[in-house]
Amino acid sequence: DTAVSQTPKYLVTQMGNDKSIKCEQNLGHDTMYWYKQDSKKFLKIMFSYNNKELIINETVPNRFSPKSPDKAHLNLHINSLELGDSAVYFCASSPLWGSGANVLTFGAGSRLTVL
Amino acid sequence: GESVGLHLPTLSVQEGDNSIINCAYSNSASDYFIWYKQESGKGPQFIIDIRSNMDKRQGQRVTVLLNKTVKHLSLQIAATQPGDSAVYFCAENINTGGFKTIFGAGTRLFVKA
Repeated sequence: DTAVSQTPKYLVTQMGNDKSIKCEQNLGHDTMYWYKQDSKKFLKIMFSYNNKELIINETVPNRFSPKSPDKAHLNLHINSLELGDSAVYFCASSPLWGSGANVLTFGAGSRLTVL
Repeated sequence: GESVGLHLPTLSVQEGDNSIINCAYSNSASDYFIWYKQESGKGPQFIIDIRSNMDKRQGQRVTVLLNKTVKHLSLQIAATQPGDSAVYFCAENINTGGFKTIFGAGTRLFVKA
């Protein structure tokens, strides 16, 4: 049983295309996140949802649009893909929002390559 | 500002030796710190955490030390094994009206057999 699962694991596409990455967690957590990891392994938070409500929206281009149909799912749609969008995107979840002792459980990542 | 950084991007140790991975943070308001381990092809995984009211916390073969005076965090791994080879991240939880987790740049640990 995978706690946080994301699909697809690999995605290769052309510049200008639109693509989506899906994420589901079966941990019963209230909060879900999207992180972007670049080629130097730097992890940067993009979005956070708490119980389907957007909580964190970092300075991410509006070509990126997260959607949370329920608290177990957080999808990421990217419009008009650019070369710089190539990265590994990680979904994560945590039990509580507003708790300092917040530990994240990550999915295995979705590697996006834009050609 | 918000930043968590690491002193060494790569660390190579002999199997059986102890490893020490260092991290500097800049947000003095942070009160919770976490170390994550990321193996190749996987997402980061929780190793150990520490609250700012502590200066040391021990787990199984791992110890985290926190020095708030100089804003420094370290992860010590005892008797390093090949399975410890991974990228290690320190992270801090910053209160932004809720908390968000900010990650440092990561240190790659190589364990030589």
